[in-house]
Amino acid sequence: EAGVTQFPSHSVIEKGQTVTLRCDPISGHDNLYWYRRVMGKEIKFLLHFVKESKQDESGMPNNRFLAERTGGTYSTLKVQPAELEDSGVYFCASSQESGSFEETQYFGPGTRLLVL
Amino acid sequence: AQSVTQLGSHVSVSEGALVLLRCNYSSSVPPYLFWYVQYPNQGLQLLLKYTTGATLVKGINGFEAEFKKSETSFHLTKPSAHMSDAAEYFCAVTTYNTDKLIFGTGTRLQVFP
Repeated sequence: EAGVTQFPSHSVIEKGQTVTLRCDPISGHDNLYWYRRVMGKEIKFLLHFVKESKQDESGMPNNRFLAERTGGTYSTLKVQPAELEDSGVYFCASSQESGSFEETQYFGPGTRLLVL
Repeated sequence: AQSVTQLGSHVSVSEGALVLLRCNYSSSVPPYLFWYVQYPNQGLQLLLKYTTGATLVKGINGFEAEFKKSETSFHLTKPSAHMSDAAEYFCAVTTYNTDKLIFGTGTRLQVFP
């Protein structure tokens, strides 16, 4: 069974440009999460999809970030325009069962974003 | 609100020595606790988790952790370190009323021969 995949693995862009990150969850997983780790700090929650609906987007830093999950499958996270402080590692995770808070979240390898 | 504190951003041990990575949590309701490991260039992998029941939890690769409510701790241990254990370890908490994980800042484990 394929794990969570993320694309690209690395992205280097200039301030003001747009970047789109993609996450493919484990097949059949309804829950999809985005997290971010800024260098040296903790991994922080950004948002949570249940199928195609946003369940919780309380962690989204500002309106430069837009997340979508088309048809309840893969998800994209767009940053437009990117700022220096957006640099970090963006992780995607998925889990199977809705409403089970102890359910294991399976993480992808992350996308390393560097904004110059 | 929940929070996690991992004491020591870097821990170094000799191969064969005891590994002890510390995690303390704060939660106003019963917590669910997790340890994840990240090997170089890989994603986070679940080592073990505590939800309810037995407070001593065994995970993969010989790791275990004990939930101590009185100390609000969930320290990770392994009796004998192996070179392949070198990685970054993250403690995380969630509860019944939220499924977002709250992470600590991570502890990087180095194992010397």
